[in-house]
Amino acid sequence: EAGVTQFPSHSVIEKGQTVTLRCDPISGHDNLYWYRRVMGKEIKFLLHFVKESKQDESGMPNNRFLAERTGGTYSTLKVQPAELEDSGVYFCASSQDRLEQYFGPGTRLTVT
Amino acid sequence: AQKVTQAQTEISVVEKEDVTLDCVYETRDTTYYLFWYKQPPSGELVFLIRRNSFDEQNEISGRYSWNFQKSTSSFNFTITASQVVDSAVYFCALSEAKSYNTDKLIFGTGTRLQVFP
Repeated sequence: EAGVTQFPSHSVIEKGQTVTLRCDPISGHDNLYWYRRVMGKEIKFLLHFVKESKQDESGMPNNRFLAERTGGTYSTLKVQPAELEDSGVYFCASSQDRLEQYFGPGTRLTVT
Repeated sequence: AQKVTQAQTEISVVEKEDVTLDCVYETRDTTYYLFWYKQPPSGELVFLIRRNSFDEQNEISGRYSWNFQKSTSSFNFTITASQVVDSAVYFCALSEAKSYNTDKLIFGTGTRLQVFP
């Protein structure tokens, strides 16, 4: 069974540009989560999808971040326009029963 | 508010030593879950254990063991006879239980463990 995959593994963009991160959850997992780790700090929750619906988006930092999960399969997280403080590692996780979350390898975003 | 504290930023040991990673949590919920995840150099977070707040029994899995103490709000993780492959960043996490299901995870800042041969 394939695990959670994320693309790209690393992205370097300039301040003001747009970046879109993609997450493919484990097949059959209705729950999909996005988290972010800013350098040296804890991993913080961004939002939770159940199928295509946003269950909890309390962790989204501001309206420059837009997450979608069309069709309840893969999800995208768009940052527009990117700021320096958006740099970090973005993790995606999926879960079938919400008891165990399986994480992907993360996307390292560097905004210069 | 919920919070997880991992006071040890980095620990270095020599192979075969035992090592304990500390985790202290704060929550007002009476029902919650505690987790440990391992992040090897490849980057992904690997699930190690989940423990619910009603089960204070310690758990052992091979060289890994976990000590959950509600009285001190701690959920410590011990690796016995450490090996080089144990080198990783270890995260402790907390989640409140809603309808017997967990939700978002609250993570600590992680402890980097380096095991030298």
